[in-house]
Amino acid sequence: SYELTQPSSVSVSPGQTATVTCSGDKLGDKFVSWYQQKSGQAPILIMYQDNRRPSGIPERFSGSNSGNTATLTISGAQAVDEADYYCQAWDRLVTFGGGTKVTVL
Amino acid sequence: EVRLVESGGGLAQPGGSLRLSCEGSGFSFSTYWMSWVRQAPGKGLEWVANIKGDENEKNYVDSVRGRFTISRDNALNSVYLEMNSLRVEDTAFYYCARDADYRGEAWHWGQGVLVSVSS
Repeated sequence: SYELTQPSSVSVSPGQTATVTCSGDKLGDKFVSWYQQKSGQAPILIMYQDNRRPSGIPERFSGSNSGNTATLTISGAQAVDEADYYCQAWDRLVTFGGGTKVTVL
Repeated sequence: EVRLVESGGGLAQPGGSLRLSCEGSGFSFSTYWMSWVRQAPGKGLEWVANIKGDENEKNYVDSVRGRFTISRDNALNSVYLEMNSLRVEDTAFYYCARDADYRGEAWHWGQGVLVSVSS
């Protein structure tokens, strides 16, 4: 089965840039989605088709995908961005990464 | 407004069964792929199964294939997850989601329902 690997945690200071990576074999050949999940809440889609933001998602969120790594970037991180972030891709079946806890402090 | 509401969770014994339901509203239900995604307490997301709008395609994660069955009733705007031969490791919050297509891009999620498997 296909595997997606994410760092377990990322810390960022307010106003700085946070980078969350997602690695998988030939991931750049697939579309990647990203989800944000705050404590006690359902996930929400914040990035789809590698770098497209759904309506209502702040512009400080951006995405890229090339080679074996997809990246979610939060430029000018805010306290409200503290959450778990999951990447997701499809390779015969739907797969989620293990999730990254982003701490803003 | 798209809305997804799950129901049917609860406590089951190992080897037992439960049936989850998810009713959708605010969109043309029959035209969308629907998924079930679960999350064990304190753990990450795990995709479980999905089903095409016309019910002609269904997919399952290996760990539930043969034990769980996804189905839908478009007349009732509902998708279901029949869970048999439940195991302790099936304990999780179960979310239904509306997908863009078979690749699992989940644009809308329900609030989730808890399934606990314990003796």
